[in-house]
Amino acid sequence: AQTVTQSQPEMSVQEAETVTLSCTYDTSENNYYLFWYKQPPSRQMILVIRQEAYKQQNATENRFSVNFQKAAKSFSLKISDSQLGDTAMYFCAFMKPPSNTGKLIFGQGTTLQVKP
Amino acid sequence: NAGVTQTPKFRILKIGQSMTLQCAQDMNHNYMYWYRQDPGMGLKLIYYSVGAGITDKGEVPNGYNVSRSTTEDFPLRLELAAPSQTSVYFCASSPGTIGHEQYFGPGTRLTVT
Repeated sequence: AQTVTQSQPEMSVQEAETVTLSCTYDTSENNYYLFWYKQPPSRQMILVIRQEAYKQQNATENRFSVNFQKAAKSFSLKISDSQLGDTAMYFCAFMKPPSNTGKLIFGQGTTLQVKP
Repeated sequence: NAGVTQTPKFRILKIGQSMTLQCAQDMNHNYMYWYRQDPGMGLKLIYYSVGAGITDKGEVPNGYNVSRSTTEDFPLRLELAAPSQTSVYFCASSPGTIGHEQYFGPGTRLTVT
């Protein structure tokens, strides 16, 4: 069974600085998808970034980028130029295709606080 | 376009009571999901549906039931509420399964006392 582990329960960063959130996963599959979701205090889950395992290039979305190390089964999220609005809980999630269900397996989450 | 909506936002139940959490989406998505999030934890899948009339169990289905009579609606039924069901419940929908984003509702905070 697939598992997702986020080993940092809480992190903090000063505004405008860079922070990296860690995620490791366990799977025997070769083809899959990985996601980072953000959950601000409003509780609304928002997709931050997505990575396809068969793509070697790391995904980027503006200030957010990932470091995908397939052999090490590692999928970290880097937030550059941190902003106060980045304060949230961040979840790493795994999706195994070619499943016809689209089920997500979530990590435990990392609470990030951005300090002014 | 409201996306995924959930009602109610908050609810307090007594042990043994039953209730239905409502979820609706207006994006014509075939795939819908129910998750629960316990304090400080990630989301765990309760039930999911790949289309109207088709549902299946997720990771933590005990104590819950679902139905999917239409594409838009995916209600979650709690029978005989227990304190262990105190959680925040999220409904989500997706247009597909191959790497597609799931769109989440705002959640329902349920307390069972």
